[in-house]
Amino acid sequence: DAKTTQPPSMDCAEGRAANLPCNHSTISGNEYVYWYRQIHSQGPQYIIHGLKNNEINEMASLIITEDRKSSTLILPHATLRDTAVYYCIASYGGATNKLIFGTGTLLAVQP
Amino acid sequence: EAQVTQNPRYLITVTGKKLTVTCSQNMNHEYMSWYRQDPGLGLRQIYYSMNVEVTDKGDVPEGYKVSRKEKRNFPLILESPSPNQTSLYFCASSFAGTLLNYGYTFGSGTRLTVV
Repeated sequence: DAKTTQPPSMDCAEGRAANLPCNHSTISGNEYVYWYRQIHSQGPQYIIHGLKNNEINEMASLIITEDRKSSTLILPHATLRDTAVYYCIASYGGATNKLIFGTGTLLAVQP
Repeated sequence: EAQVTQNPRYLITVTGKKLTVTCSQNMNHEYMSWYRQDPGLGLRQIYYSMNVEVTDKGDVPEGYKVSRKEKRNFPLILESPSPNQTSLYFCASSFAGTLLNYGYTFGSGTRLTVV
């Protein structure tokens, strides 16, 4: 799996968009970009994933650069409940279905 | 409700006393996995199972055992717990081979303390 790099922490004002960056410069062609989040010692929660195209769902948007070396997770209207550690993972799953979680970004949404 | 259920949520035990943490999923997932989470070390995979009777070691399997006799259950067994196994444990499941489309579903976690 490709190594990902995320800032250790970010702040965001409540109601504003939260843009969380992730670098994955060594990503290979068959590796997807996944985003999960973990709210205070709860089980990590799947948010979104993508390969090349931008993706959107009810939780967030995922923007992947054309060269696929980086991506941005966008929470369009952050709330206090979005305060969590956000993990960016590059993986194709492979025979072991394995996802490797790094240390992620602690997003603190401020009132 | 689709979910992964772990029990117990909290457990304090003594060194050497065998224990089992249960994990059950109701989504008919083939794939199940155990992770432990420690401060500064993130989530590390202990064991995983691609289907019934198929299990394999993850990154930190020492001191743990698992079994997969039924599709829905994947218990984690600590035969002789030691203090360095004090951690937060998560069970996860997904459809095998279609991880790319569905992602993992995690349980709520088991906080284990070994004294």
